[in-house]
Amino acid sequence: KQEVTQIPAALSVPEGENLVLNCSFTDSAIYNLQWFRQDPGKGLTSLLLIQSSQREQTSGRLNASLDKSSGRSTLYIAASQPGDSATYLCAVPSGGYQKVTFGTGTKLQVIP
Amino acid sequence: DAGITQSPRHKVTETGTPVTLRCHQTENHRYMYWYRQDPGHGLRLIHYSYGVKDTDKGEVSDGYSVSRSKTEDFLLTLESATSSQTSVYFCAISDPPSGANVLTFGAGSRLTVL
Repeated sequence: KQEVTQIPAALSVPEGENLVLNCSFTDSAIYNLQWFRQDPGKGLTSLLLIQSSQREQTSGRLNASLDKSSGRSTLYIAASQPGDSATYLCAVPSGGYQKVTFGTGTKLQVIP
Repeated sequence: DAGITQSPRHKVTETGTPVTLRCHQTENHRYMYWYRQDPGHGLRLIHYSYGVKDTDKGEVSDGYSVSRSKTEDFLLTLESATSSQTSVYFCAISDPPSGANVLTFGAGSRLTVL
């Protein structure tokens, strides 16, 4: 059974700081990994999708990396802004192409 | 939320009553999912559908049933609601040919079972 862990569960940083969020998964036989953002009381928004053949994926100030062999992914946020405050979740396929297992998320607070 | 509508958005009900949550999409995506989100457990898959009348169980399917009679609608039914089913329920869609398993989520339905 795929298990996904995100550490830390919560993170508070001053505005402008660069930061890294971590995601670990137990079954490395994945073909992609997704990072999502969730604002309070809202649904999830897909940020980045990394295919297993890729090592990195970038979107604006966000950069996600994937190391299948070690079962890890990181989400790098450059020059953090208060608007980045949200919960960030990673998700990997498990038990079938269309089943996805989510981590419990990292709640980020960027202080002005 | 990108062509996905969940209804109702909020519901309070009593133990033992039936509840149906509706997910409606206008994207014509083949796959639809129901997740529940609880503190400390994250998002867990309840059921999913890979086509009209084609559904399968997720990891927490006990106490839930689903139906999909049209591409655009996916219903989640709690036959006899229990307090442990108090949660926020999210519907999601995906369309493999165009976007692998990139999931698009609805805004959620908050259910409270008293």
